[in-house]
Amino acid sequence: GAGVSQSPRYKVAKRGQDVALRCDPISGHVSLFWYQQALGQGPEFLTYFQNEAQLDKSGLPSDRFFAERPEGSVSTLKIQRTQQEDSAVYLCASSFYNGELFFGEGSRLTVL
Amino acid sequence: GESVGLHLPTLSVQEGDNSIINCAYSNSASDYFIWYKQESGKGPQFIIDIRSNMDKRQGQRVTVLLNKTVKHLSLQIAATQPGDSAVYFCAENTEYGNKLVFGAGTILRVKS
Repeated sequence: GAGVSQSPRYKVAKRGQDVALRCDPISGHVSLFWYQQALGQGPEFLTYFQNEAQLDKSGLPSDRFFAERPEGSVSTLKIQRTQQEDSAVYLCASSFYNGELFFGEGSRLTVL
Repeated sequence: GESVGLHLPTLSVQEGDNSIINCAYSNSASDYFIWYKQESGKGPQFIIDIRSNMDKRQGQRVTVLLNKTVKHLSLQIAATQPGDSAVYFCAENTEYGNKLVFGAGTILRVKS
């Protein structure tokens, strides 16, 4: 498709498990962002890539969160040893440099 | 579907009426503002943006007003339709690179 694609759409994990969330940005989009959206709140910035370079990771809540974009296209957000407070929708967005952001539909993570 | 915003302010309007959604931002250094629409189970969708050198911008059925003096942003939707029902977020850009900071959101419910 032409939009930002995220997988899985839904993930249920037991506390302590590791999870990996994938984002396929729009082809040609240089910039890629990850946001976390808790229920009833606005999205909160996690991290930002320009091509394969992670230019800002100031929003990652702990060292259990790790993001990569090794070839400057697909990105993976990994959460190690998941905790209940990690339950949220994880949104990926891409843009052509500093243009309009296009969001994916998100990956909903539920940690039991 | 699942409710996105359990604790968000709600604006209920009659179909065909005009809607006004308000947002206060906190950073006087912000110079770019965007309104997003988010339907249940989907990612935020761009509606309209405005830069700080403007105080009004119009799109199709939507108008954004910016008052920098009181750090206030509003979104006006003309002739509101049932398809406008969603959660609306304002977002501000505080840095070069599209690191958006989202507001808390407002639920818009359109009654037929």
